[in-house]
This record gives sequence, C-alpha cells and structure tokens, in this order.
Amino acid sequence: QSALTQPASVSGSPGQSITISCTGTSSDVGGYNYVSWYQQHPGKAPKLMISDVSKRPSGISNRFSGSKSGNTASLTISGLQAEDEADYFCCSYVATGNWVFGGGTKLTVL
Amino acid sequence: EVQVVESGGGLVQPGGSLRLSCAASGFTFSTYWMHWVRQAPGKGLMWVSIISGDGTVTRYADSVKGRFTISRDNARNTLYLQMNSLRPEDTAVYYCARDVAMAPDDWGQGTLVTVSS
Repeated sequence: QSALTQPASVSGSPGQSITISCTGTSSDVGGYNYVSWYQQHPGKAPKLMISDVSKRPSGISNRFSGSKSGNTASLTISGLQAEDEADYFCCSYVATGNWVFGGGTKLTVL
Repeated sequence: EVQVVESGGGLVQPGGSLRLSCAASGFTFSTYWMHWVRQAPGKGLMWVSIISGDGTVTRYADSVKGRFTISRDNARNTLYLQMNSLRPEDTAVYYCARDVAMAPDDWGQGTLVTVSS
C-alpha cells in the first residue's frame, strides 16, 4: 500500500488561508468517506483535527475544515495563527481493511 | 478522561523481539477497535495494525505481517504488540490509538523502539 501524496510544505501569513491536498486512489480516498487529518507539533503526539472527510471533533476550531473531490481530499485552515505551524498528515481507510497515511506536510506560518 | 499510555520500548538487536503494551483508561476498552501506528525518526506516520474490540479481527500492514502480532486483554484494559524478527527499519516511536469513526484518535505519547547492533 503506497502512502497518500501530500505536498512536502506549504506556507502562509497570519490571517491568510491555506489548503493542503491529499491524493490517493479509488481504493482509499476516493472509495470511502473515511479520511482524517492530524496535526503534530514537534515532539508531540498527533492530534485528530478532522474525521469522516469533514467532521470536526469537539474542541477543534472551526478554522479547520475538510473536503474531498474524487481521489483527493483537502484540509483548509483559515485565519492562520502562529500556533497552527506544525506537521499535518492525512489518513484514509483502504479497501483491504487497512489504513494508510500521507507523507505529511510541514506548515510554516510566515 | 480518555488516556492511553504506551510502554515497553527500548534497544534491541536486529532479529530480536520486543513486546509493547498500551494501558487504556477513561473509556469502555472492550468496545473499541485499537490501532498501532509508528513514526520513524524525522519521518511520517505509518499505520501498523488494528484489532477489534473482542480481539477476533486483526489486520496488519504488509511490512510487518508475519512478524508482528497485535492482541488485547480486555480484563486488564491493555493492548499489546508483539514484535519479532525486528529489523533496523522498524526503529520508530510506536503509538497506540483508539479508533473513533474509522480514524485513529486519542493517541498516547508513544514508546521508542530502536533496532540496532
């Protein structure tokens, strides 16, 4: 199972919006609405930000939103803040009954 | 409060074995599927394995199939990962996570496994 494809890095200024893409296949991202997104700060455990493509767990800011079109899912962060600087990973359920992660995207807030 | 705490990591020689544990609290452990996910130093996340709430269903990533075994003791609220025939490329922080809505959620802080001679 190949990892989902994410850009290695994205950047934006405070207050701006950014979007991180996550491309898979019809056997994972495109085949199921089980895409999730994680935020990871250095030395910390990953934190779930979005599940089921677009659902925010309790306590997650509405500045974070998710969507999907075909085999590509996207995470959008609006109103960028300094504390959003972190690594972001997408994850999808796979037709084989397994899960697969993306390679990760480093977000820099300029 | 939901909490999972991993333990059992350490330094092991190539070809060796190690058993990781994950102690869970704050939720009805037996009703949740549980994941293991790992992260090599400076690298991304890699899904390793999952087990059903009653322990009857298990799945593995191809890279660990046949070498790793996931199990659980619902009476002790504990998840395990038995790792055999370890390779240097298995070096990583290993996280356990509760599955919520088909996604790993509620992660622990991880335990570091280093495979080196």
